[in-house]
Amino acid sequence: QSVLTQPPSASGTPGQRVTFSCSGSGSNIGGNTVNWYRHLPGAAPQLLIYTNTQRPSGVPDRFSASKSGASASLAISGLQSEDEGHYYCAAWDDSLNAVVFGGGTKLIVL
Amino acid sequence: QVHLQESGPGLVKPSETLSLTCSVSGGSISTTTNYWGWIRQPAGKGLEWIGSAYYNGSPYYNPSLKSRVTISVDTSKNQFSLNLNSVTAADTAVYYCARAIGVPAFDIWGQGTVVAVSS
Repeated sequence: QSVLTQPPSASGTPGQRVTFSCSGSGSNIGGNTVNWYRHLPGAAPQLLIYTNTQRPSGVPDRFSASKSGASASLAISGLQSEDEGHYYCAAWDDSLNAVVFGGGTKLIVL
Repeated sequence: QVHLQESGPGLVKPSETLSLTCSVSGGSISTTTNYWGWIRQPAGKGLEWIGSAYYNGSPYYNPSLKSRVTISVDTSKNQFSLNLNSVTAADTAVYYCARAIGVPAFDIWGQGTVVAVSS
């Protein structure tokens, strides 16, 4: 059972907008910043979002994120077939003194 | 551009020590703005943080692994290492090394290396 809760799956069609949720508590998301990763098949995980809303250079602006209280969300607009993979949220947890990941959401592009 | 590459045995016997090295190229490991970390992913499961280290500071570890883990940084070789002792089959996973901008924001990852624990 992961400290951060993510739905196991999501789906969308090309061009659609999809969102992913990540739920935590005051000791992690509620009190610290959230990062989002994409893990495509056969590749290393990629940082999509850091510090709640910031995109590293090279990440297109169709990826966006927000945080409210102890929850966070990631949105992908203009969905592409290449986006199919797993998406993870992560944050520092003050109670555990550890980086915690969500269980991941598998995105299927129909 | 900074590049990370993991190296080490792909097979470790139960109760022995798993040792991996991450070589950093294209930049210095002795930077004041980055941490260096290890993350693993067992087959069919999600990502698990193992630990992180600053080039000249004390490392910090996942509490669930803390009693078995050591992460060290070798600035002379521009690399950092992971030692995980008393391994069991549950430690079989893909192991990634990564650079962090801030504690949990891993922005550059190695390609990953598969480590199996089996006799």
